[in-house]
Amino acid sequence: DAGVTQSPTHLIKTRGQHVTLRCSPISGHKSVSWYQQVLGQGPQFIFQYYEKEERGRGNFPDRFSARQFPNYSSELNVNALLLGDSALYLCASSLTAVSGNTIYFGEGSWLTVV
Amino acid sequence: GQSLEQPSEVTAVEGAIVQINCTYQTSGFYGLSWYQQHDGGAPTFLSYNALDGLEETGRFSSFLSRSDSYGYLLLQELQMKDSASYFCAVSTDSWGKFQFGAGTQVVVTP
Repeated sequence: DAGVTQSPTHLIKTRGQHVTLRCSPISGHKSVSWYQQVLGQGPQFIFQYYEKEERGRGNFPDRFSARQFPNYSSELNVNALLLGDSALYLCASSLTAVSGNTIYFGEGSWLTVV
Repeated sequence: GQSLEQPSEVTAVEGAIVQINCTYQTSGFYGLSWYQQHDGGAPTFLSYNALDGLEETGRFSSFLSRSDSYGYLLLQELQMKDSASYFCAVSTDSWGKFQFGAGTQVVVTP
């Protein structure tokens, strides 16, 4: 069975541009979360979606937005990119959205802002 | 404020035992998880403790004391492939949102 898949794997953007990152959860998983991981740090929570509704939002500016589609895949959008947005963006899926559920991460999308 | 504290690096030889401690201070607590991440790879799930006590999974064990806001991951019979970063993560709400520590780099030497 396929794990969590993310695209693109690597991308380079210029300051001020916009980026869309995509995620397909494990088949049967209905919850998707997004995390940002800066080099040398732990993942930081950005969003969680369950059944197409936002269930949680981390401490990120409004430039960050996300959505979940009827097939449970998800997009993370970042507008007006800053140099500090350079990071590994991780998508994680779980069967449901309850504490104790194991979350499974994808390989991530490496974003470099120049 | 909210924080998860874990050592930045631990070095040990093959076959040894390593304990990675994690102390946490979060607004909510529903459980403590541990993840392993090799360089350039995705974090992979190792263990989850919602209740006090020890959970054992093969060479890895995890412990939780909710009254002390403390947990640890025990790696036994260290192998070279165990060289990686290890993250503790607290589930901070009922929806399964996680707050991660900064990670502990484990270096296994021959």
